[in-house]
Parts: sequence; C-alpha cells; structure tokens
Amino acid sequence: DTGVSQDPRHKITKRGQNVTFRCDPISEHNRLYWYRQTLGQGPEFLTYFQNEAQLEKSRLLSDRFSAERPKGSFSTLEIQRTEQGDSAMYLCASSLQGSLTYEQYFGPGTRLTVT
Amino acid sequence: AQSVTQLGSHVSVSEGALVLLRCNYSSSVPPYLFWYVQYPNQGLQLLLKYTSAATLVKGINGFEAEFKKSETSFHLTKPSAHMSDAAEYFCAVSSLGFGNEKLTFGTGTRLTIIP
Repeated sequence: DTGVSQDPRHKITKRGQNVTFRCDPISEHNRLYWYRQTLGQGPEFLTYFQNEAQLEKSRLLSDRFSAERPKGSFSTLEIQRTEQGDSAMYLCASSLQGSLTYEQYFGPGTRLTVT
Repeated sequence: AQSVTQLGSHVSVSEGALVLLRCNYSSSVPPYLFWYVQYPNQGLQLLLKYTSAATLVKGINGFEAEFKKSETSFHLTKPSAHMSDAAEYFCAVSSLGFGNEKLTFGTGTRLTIIP
C-alpha cells in the first residue's frame, strides 16, 4: 500500500493558462474524490468517481473544471483559463466502496498558485 | 443537507494539559462523523470516526471523541497534550449508507501547544 499520490505537489501558473493535476489512488480503491481547500478553510467537495463513472459534481465545479478517470484507476483534474480565485490546495482521496472502514485516504495535495 | 461547525479557529493549550476541540453537526439523516488532522503542507490523516456503533470513539495518538445526539456534538479530546499534537484539526460529516459519501468539513481548528 503506497498511499494516494498526487502530481505535481506545487504548480505556479499565470492567469488564463490551463493546468492539469493527476491523482493515483490506492490500487484496490474504486472510489476517488477531489476536494479543494483554500487558505484558512476546510476542504470542499468537488466531485467523485466510482470506477470510471463520475457520480456527483459540486456546484463549485464550474465549466472551466473537468475531471476524468478514464480507466477507473488514476484521475486528472483540469482547470482551463485559470483565475486567481482558483489558487488553492487540491486534494484527492480514495476509498473502497463497501468497506466497513468508511475511510477516505487523502493524498498530499497539489498547491496551485495563479499569478 | 449537512454541515459542521467548529467553535474556535485557534486553541492553545500547555504541554500536558487537556485538549478539547469542539464540533457540532447538522444532518437530516443519522450522521457518520470524522476527525482529521493536517500537518503543514500535507494531506489529511484520519484520527477517528463514528459510524453508529459505540458513542465513545478512540482514535490514534491518544485522541478520543464522544458522539452526543442530544447535543449534536462530536468533540475531540486528549487528556495530555504533546508538542507533536500541534496541527490543524478538521471535523467532518457524511451521510454514508444513505448514498452520499462526500465529506462536509468544518473550517478547522489550529491547535498550538505551549511548552
């Protein structure tokens, strides 16, 4: 069990550029979640997948955001035409549906800074 | 709808003193409740969880929490604070088992330990 990994750990981009983040969940986990955490706040839910199906999207996920999990393994989160308000920590978590532990395991996050 | 309120964005205690971090929840269905800890520039680590079994839950690092339905509370305690407990703590609620597994977090409490 290598845990949830995220890449990159830090990203600095200029306003208007597109960025893509990657999340690799724990290998046997079929659920994958994306959260966003701004400074001084708790994480806020963005979206989640069961296998390759995207089951729920938050209203926070504007049209500029898109997430995929094409083969039910890793996931990508893309932000198009970044804005300064997108600066945040993007957290990925995974879990095993049906597991009695009910635990989401979090990755270290990707910190995005939009200048 | 569900929500979490954490009273006190900053709490300071002396090393060896009791730690008490407060969390109140609101949920239209029986809740599942979690406490997570976050160290600087890291992801979230689960401390403990309540999933409708015993109301007094013991977690890692000597922490425990008691689910009180009448008070809609799930306060986190530790009898004796250690310097390594300095971190940000988040309470979260979920409607696991009712088809809604996303976590709704509070705004967090930063715990400082005074030597």
